[in-house]
Amino acid sequence: GIQVEQSPPDLILQEGANSTLRCNFSDSVNNLQWFHQNPWGQLINLFYIPSGTKQNGRLSATTVATERYSSLYISSSQTTDSGVYFCAVEQGYGQNFVFGPGTRLSVLP
Amino acid sequence: GAGVSQSPSNKVTEKGKDVELRCDPISGHTALYWYRQRLGQGLEFLIYFQGNSAPDKSGLPSDRFSAERTGGSVSTLTIQRTQQEDSAVYLCASSSTGLLPQHFGDGTRLSIL
Repeated sequence: GIQVEQSPPDLILQEGANSTLRCNFSDSVNNLQWFHQNPWGQLINLFYIPSGTKQNGRLSATTVATERYSSLYISSSQTTDSGVYFCAVEQGYGQNFVFGPGTRLSVLP
Repeated sequence: GAGVSQSPSNKVTEKGKDVELRCDPISGHTALYWYRQRLGQGLEFLIYFQGNSAPDKSGLPSDRFSAERTGGSVSTLTIQRTQQEDSAVYLCASSSTGLLPQHFGDGTRLSIL
């Protein structure tokens, strides 16, 4: 089946710093989504981005489907950005999602 | 409702008991998903419903796991004869069309003693 890798596995930032998280996948996908899981375990949708670039405030994401990767960019990081960031890909429609292992981000004050 | 609601939020039970987890999706959302997250691990897809039918059950880890959805709304995930490896947070998500984005509930934290 499709493999999803995320890098880096762990990231520590000082508040105000910028960072880029990467998601690589081994096969073509129909859908890709980025999630943030906060330290309390709640999952928040960030982006639905099967291709192209989207921006939402300090966050932006780019997916290059032909090169099988997606990047999540966090600018001017805040302590509330801490948590685990997952990317999830889907090859069918509403079928078996495959999640990456996540990037654990800690933003220090 | 305003968001995806899951109950109970926490469940502690003895090994061998059956448990039932409930998910109430966002009103009007036709697609519903169950996931599992073991401690320190990524999310694991379990099952997907489109309406009341489950076209993809491939993620259910064993025949002790079953799920149903009635009336195109509430879903229950049942685990029979629970084992310690079933301890995890069980997350439910819904979406309006069966495509992304999905909206997640807060999860049920299941602990098997």
